[in-house]
Amino acid sequence: GNSVTQMEGPVTLSEEAFLTINCTYTATGYPSLFWYVQYPGEGLQLLLKATKADDKGSNKGFEATYRKETTSFHLEKGSVQVSDSAVYFCALSVVGQGAQKLVFGQGTRLTINP
Amino acid sequence: GAVVSQHPSRVICKSGTSVKIECRSLDFQATTMFWYRQFPKQSLMLMATSNEGSKATYEQGVEKDKFLINHASLTLSTLTVTSAHPEDSSFYICSADPGAANTGELFFGEGSRLTVL
Repeated sequence: GNSVTQMEGPVTLSEEAFLTINCTYTATGYPSLFWYVQYPGEGLQLLLKATKADDKGSNKGFEATYRKETTSFHLEKGSVQVSDSAVYFCALSVVGQGAQKLVFGQGTRLTINP
Repeated sequence: GAVVSQHPSRVICKSGTSVKIECRSLDFQATTMFWYRQFPKQSLMLMATSNEGSKATYEQGVEKDKFLINHASLTLSTLTVTSAHPEDSSFYICSADPGAANTGELFFGEGSRLTVL
């Protein structure tokens, strides 16, 4: 089946620290991979995505590379800010009943201290 | 980006009553919408796929008669929690698929927090 496993949180870092949130997946076929972010009190927003192997998604200083050989899509940022505090979800997409479905990881809560 | 709006954002009801949550795509048409449930500190669990003009497709373990889904137009899907009980208290989130215009992204509503007393 299709599943996503994320690094367990919560993660607490100081401002300007380097961030890595691990994500691995199992899937049939060739899924697209996503990172979604949920800021406090808000809905999920797409942070970045990659649709095929070796693609790198990037946005707001965050990056993730689609690694087919290791079935991974780790999220990284070189220097985090307090405003990056949120819950981060790794996800893959599969097509079911003609529509695209997302399968989410369990989420990783990130807190950045000033 | 595309906007999806949910209403109400918070609702408190008494046990045994029914609650309706609306999900609207404001600037695009969505043939397909999805309903998720999120427990505290846990991931989103897909409950059902809502298809415009046809019956919803429910995930295994989700009670169809408990969680009624209606997708009467290309911009509106509703989730009705019938005869709600305290264990139905949760955060309910919808997402919408732009269909032909889709580049792989789903657009999410802000979520609706249901508390059943």
